[in-house]
Amino acid sequence: DAKTTQPTSMDCAEGRAANLPCNHSTISGNEYVYWYRQIHSQGPQYIIHGLKNNETNEMASLIITEDRKSSTLILPHATLRDTAVYYCIVRGTRQGAQKLVFGQGTRLTINP
Amino acid sequence: DTAVSQTPKYLVTQMGNDKSIKCEQNLGHDTMYWYKQDSKKFLKIMFSYNNKELIINETVPNRFSPKSPDKAHLNLHINSLELGDSAVYFCASSHPLARQPQETQYFGPGTRLLVL
Repeated sequence: DAKTTQPTSMDCAEGRAANLPCNHSTISGNEYVYWYRQIHSQGPQYIIHGLKNNETNEMASLIITEDRKSSTLILPHATLRDTAVYYCIVRGTRQGAQKLVFGQGTRLTINP
Repeated sequence: DTAVSQTPKYLVTQMGNDKSIKCEQNLGHDTMYWYKQDSKKFLKIMFSYNNKELIINETVPNRFSPKSPDKAHLNLHINSLELGDSAVYFCASSHPLARQPQETQYFGPGTRLLVL
């Protein structure tokens, strides 16, 4: 599975959009980009995933560049409860059990 | 309703003891996982079971033995506990077939193990 690079930490003001970048320059054609987050003392939580088109759900938007070498997770109106570590993960879609390979993630702090 | 539950939430024990952590999911998933998050907060896969069959077994000491009595349960038994086993252990489950576009893993709340 492709390796990802994320900034160690970011800050964002409450109510503003939080844009979290991820580089995955070695991604291959059949690999998806997944985002999970881990709020303090909780288990990781799935946010969104995509292949090459931009995706949006009730939690966030995912923008993937045309060459698929990087992506941005957007939390449109960040709240204090969005403070968490955000993980960008790239992996394929083989059937059967698949492990998630977590990097260090980005520690996002939402400030009042 | 809890989707993936783990017991106990906290576990404090002495070196050398044997302990078990239980995991149950009520999502109807057929694949379950154990992950370990160490003190540096790195989260790593340990095991995965699909339909009670071991699918993934990372480089984990033999003292760790997962057991899956049925698809809804995956327990983790640890023999001869060591100081380095102190960590947070997360159970997860997924349904890797067509119910969802791609596999999404759902995590439990974690079990905080402290070995003294």
